Amino acid sequence: EVQLVESGGGLVKPGGSLRLSCAASGFTFSSYSMNWVRQAPGKGLEWVSSISSSSSYIYYADSVKGRFTISRDNAKNSLYLQMNSLRAEDTAVYYCARESDGDYLDYWGQGTLVTVSS
Amino acid sequence: SYVLTQPPSVSVAPGKTARITCGGNNIGSKSVHWYQQKPGQAPVLVIYYDSDRPSGIPERFSGSNSGNTATLTISRVEAGDEADYYCQVWDSSSDHLRVFGTGTKVTVL
Repeated sequence: EVQLVESGGGLVKPGGSLRLSCAASGFTFSSYSMNWVRQAPGKGLEWVSSISSSSSYIYYADSVKGRFTISRDNAKNSLYLQMNSLRAEDTAVYYCARESDGDYLDYWGQGTLVTVSS
Repeated sequence: SYVLTQPPSVSVAPGKTARITCGGNNIGSKSVHWYQQKPGQAPVLVIYYDSDRPSGIPERFSGSNSGNTATLTISRVEAGDEADYYCQVWDSSSDHLRVFGTGTKVTVL
């Protein structure tokens, strides 16, 4: 069974940093691209970043480019999102999601809440 | 950047058909995927490649895509279909962005 479990969310002050993790199991992690998607309270889904299976290709939404860094450790079956210079508008539930060969997201974690507030 | 527009809400009686549109410039040339999200839960893929269903998704869910509009159709709507629905495409022309639609709240009357 495919499982994705996010962790690392919490309360952080504006300008602060946070590192999210996503532990994957039930599939060959090193064979899949992975994504982070976020959802602000009461709002829609917003794609944040994606990373290819071997980390060769990395993409970011304009809203986080230069502040967030996606990475992965295939030996540990883990995906990460380093978030720096956090802003109030980064407050959201952050989901990690597996990307199929065809660029759709076929499995999602339950999400971790990040709150940026003073 | 590429924009996907959905109606904010759709209301439908049980047993009837709900149609949720997703508008985008020449969206018919792209592959469209649809997700269902119930309150407090993670999104679930319900349609991929315009009209394919993942295993476990009822045949009542179907999709189409042509011109500037993609459509998710839910036939014989049930109370359990009440949720938010999002379309998504891959915008290869814009730094490989994954783009989500604005979302549609389906209410079962």
